Amino acid sequence: AQSVTQLDSQVPVFEEAPVELRCNYSSSVSVYLFWYVQYPNQGLQLLLKYLSGSTLVKGINGFEAEFNKSQTSFHLRKPSVHISDTAEYFCAVRPTGGGNKLTFGTGTQLKVEL
Amino acid sequence: EPEVTQTPSHQVTQMGQEVILRCVPISNHLYFYWYRQILGQKVEFLVSFYNNEISEKSEIFDDQFSVERPDGSNFTLKIRSTKLEDSAMYFCASSEARGETQYFGPGTRLLVL
Repeated sequence: AQSVTQLDSQVPVFEEAPVELRCNYSSSVSVYLFWYVQYPNQGLQLLLKYLSGSTLVKGINGFEAEFNKSQTSFHLRKPSVHISDTAEYFCAVRPTGGGNKLTFGTGTQLKVEL
Repeated sequence: EPEVTQTPSHQVTQMGQEVILRCVPISNHLYFYWYRQILGQKVEFLVSFYNNEISEKSEIFDDQFSVERPDGSNFTLKIRSTKLEDSAMYFCASSEARGETQYFGPGTRLLVL
């Protein structure tokens, strides 16, 4: 079984400041890792994913994430946020060996202020 | 850009009533999923569907739930006799193949009174 922990339920940040949203996971098998974003009144949109290869993954809207196997983490970062980044961000994992079930964290609400 | 659509966006029903939530997956996708998110909680997997049968389901997906692909475009989730605790946002998703990226719809917010 897998579990995903997003310790920060809310992260307030000023516009143009950097931000890091934390994600840790637990799994007895190897997993793929994902970050999804949910803008108000919209569905979940894939930001980026780690399947294999370089541990630094770049996604849409200037976001990136780094997979750290030893720390079982996949933190999301952006060097300079915009008001339009205000949304809920979900970290998720899926086993590499089979099955399609995504296991999500509880989400982090990013609020960008002027 | 193709997208997953869901109807209705909101549904209010009385406890014990049947509800059907509808989804139109992306047209060339073969795998379909339902997830739900109870307010303030995690997004939880319910079921995956391929080749007209359930390929995986969670413990949440009990006999009250069923899924169907009634035609070439729709994918439905039926809750036979709704309970208060079924109130949640229900997300449909689809993927082109097994293990490929899942694309999510905007969700249906279900409120059971």
